[in-house]
Amino acid sequence: GENVEQHPSTLSVQEGDSAVIKCTYSDSASNYFPWYKQELGKRPQLIIDIRSNVGEKKDQRIAVTLNKTAKHFSLHITETQPEDSAVYFCAASKDNAGKSTFGDGTTLTVKP
Amino acid sequence: DAGVIQSPRHEVTEMGQEVTLRCKPISGHNSLFWYRQTMMRGLELLIYFNNNVPIDDSGMPEDRFSAKMPNASFSTLKIQPSEPRDSAVYFCASSNYEQYFGPGTRLTVT
Repeated sequence: GENVEQHPSTLSVQEGDSAVIKCTYSDSASNYFPWYKQELGKRPQLIIDIRSNVGEKKDQRIAVTLNKTAKHFSLHITETQPEDSAVYFCAASKDNAGKSTFGDGTTLTVKP
Repeated sequence: DAGVIQSPRHEVTEMGQEVTLRCKPISGHNSLFWYRQTMMRGLELLIYFNNNVPIDDSGMPEDRFSAKMPNASFSTLKIQPSEPRDSAVYFCASSNYEQYFGPGTRLTVT
């Protein structure tokens, strides 16, 4: 089955700096890659996603890149703010039922 | 839409008791997922349904856990008998492609 590895497990940055979280996947049939943000005590929420026919997608301060050949994708957050502090999960999916394999999560701390 | 609805939000029970968690998915979504989240094990997929049919229950930890989806708007996750190691946050999510999570049920088994 699919295996998703996520790095780093923890990341601490200064407010205003950029943060990058990287994920690799094993199943070349995966074609949908969502990212979720989970604030303390809350539910995971979809923040951005990318499909395999696209190499990059941006939404304001966040962007995701996908390298299908290397089977890795990354989340980039620019101009980080304290409210970006949360756990971020990457995931990979290959079927229309929406079943995703999640990475183990990255705890991002943005220091003011 | 109210989003995915879960009840109860918090449950405290004694070891050996039966626990039933409930989920109402977003209307029109074809798939429903049950997850368990703990600090030690992270986010684990327990079971998922597509069009009310269980597709993959390989994540269900043992026979004490069971899940049903009698119709497109309701699912239950039952633990019987409950044990302290079942203490976790249980999330339900629904999807047509993107997954939307419910607020979770925090279960404490003493």
